[in-house]
Amino acid sequence: GAGVSQSPSNKVTEKGKDVELRCDPISGHTALYWYRQSLGQGLEFLIYFQGNSAPDKSGLPSDRFSAERTGGSVSTLTIQRTQQEDSAVYLCASSLDSSYNQPQHFGDGTRLSIL
Amino acid sequence: AQRVTQPEKLLSVFKGAPVELKCNYSYSGSPELFWYVQYSRQRLQLLLRHISRESIKGFTADLNKGETSFHLKKPFAQEEDSAMYYCALGSGGGADGLTFGKGTHLIIQP
Repeated sequence: GAGVSQSPSNKVTEKGKDVELRCDPISGHTALYWYRQSLGQGLEFLIYFQGNSAPDKSGLPSDRFSAERTGGSVSTLTIQRTQQEDSAVYLCASSLDSSYNQPQHFGDGTRLSIL
Repeated sequence: AQRVTQPEKLLSVFKGAPVELKCNYSYSGSPELFWYVQYSRQRLQLLLRHISRESIKGFTADLNKGETSFHLKKPFAQEEDSAMYYCALGSGGGADGLTFGKGTHLIIQP
């Protein structure tokens, strides 16, 4: 079956521009996670959605970052006024629910490069 | 705050030799520990989790709360084990996401 789908796979943009990253989770998965992986670093948790709701947005790096999820399915991560330190691979994962009994299934990620 | 440390960025062993990838964590509560693996040109995927006490592809990992460790072991390495391995910590419920280590690149030499 189809896994987690992320688009675009690569994005190169100039500093100061806004970017929107998309995640299409596995059908029926209620939990959705965004992570960021900077060069040479582990994955950094950004935000979690249960259905359309994100109970805690404190993991987002700055107020330039926002995320939403509509219809309990597709999620978008938006970065406004991008900075060079935003360059990273952004990974999305989904799971049946948020319990640790359910594995997180990852997408291929979006590689974001800020010039 | 929770933290996961994987002290080896790169580990190279010969085929048939034992493998141990180290993982130490810092967390004051009751941890949930996982190993994720990323093979070349594939997605990150769950390898095993401590709550299942399972062996996957010959790998095992035991949670040692006294040493705050969750080392991944395999008695006889195979070439197809070459990959990036990430140790991850779950704390306080799935809504907090997972805290990942920086990963260990395992290379199995023929």
